[in-house]
Amino acid sequence: EAGVTQSPTHLIKTRGQQATLRCSPISGHTSVYWYQQALGLGLQFLLWYDEGEERNRGNFPPRFSGRQFPNYVNALELEDSALYLCASSPDREKTQYFGPGTRLLVL
Amino acid sequence: AQTVTQSQPEMSVQEAETVTLSCTYDTSESDYYLFWYKQPPSRQMILVIRQEAYKQQNATENRFSVNFQKAAKSFSLKISDSQLGDAAMYFCAYRSAVGRGTSYGKLTFGQGTILTVHP
Repeated sequence: EAGVTQSPTHLIKTRGQQATLRCSPISGHTSVYWYQQALGLGLQFLLWYDEGEERNRGNFPPRFSGRQFPNYVNALELEDSALYLCASSPDREKTQYFGPGTRLLVL
Repeated sequence: AQTVTQSQPEMSVQEAETVTLSCTYDTSESDYYLFWYKQPPSRQMILVIRQEAYKQQNATENRFSVNFQKAAKSFSLKISDSQLGDAAMYFCAYRSAVGRGTSYGKLTFGQGTILTVHP
């Protein structure tokens, strides 16, 4: 069974640009979660989508938005530089399985 | 809001020995899930073990076992017969089982413990 995949593995952008982060969940999984792992800040919950609808959002500004699989970060700031991890679960109650992450660098 | 604390930033163990990683959490909820995830240098988070709060029996997965003390809000991970491949950052995580509110669905992570395994 294929795991969660994410693309690209690395992304370099400049301030003010938009970044597109993609995630393919495990086949049959309906819930997709996004987490940010920034240096010194640990792992922070960003967004949760279930069956295509946004169900919950962490303490992040609205410029972090998108649909279930691609996630867009608009008007990038320097502090957005981080590893972005996507996870999926078969339903909202189950264990979350993580992808390899996308490392975003904002210059 | 729930919090998860890992008080050991770094731990080390000799190959084939046993090591215990500590985790405490704070919650007012009675129903929840606890997890240990491993993050090797590749940065991919790998599930190690899961515990449901309503189960009194401690979870085990091969060489990995937990000591779940619900009243003390403690959830430690024991790694037996440590192997070089166990070297990684280990994260303790909490997930609410309450189906609503700002905590619904998300994992709350501790700060992590870096485990070094010496040959």
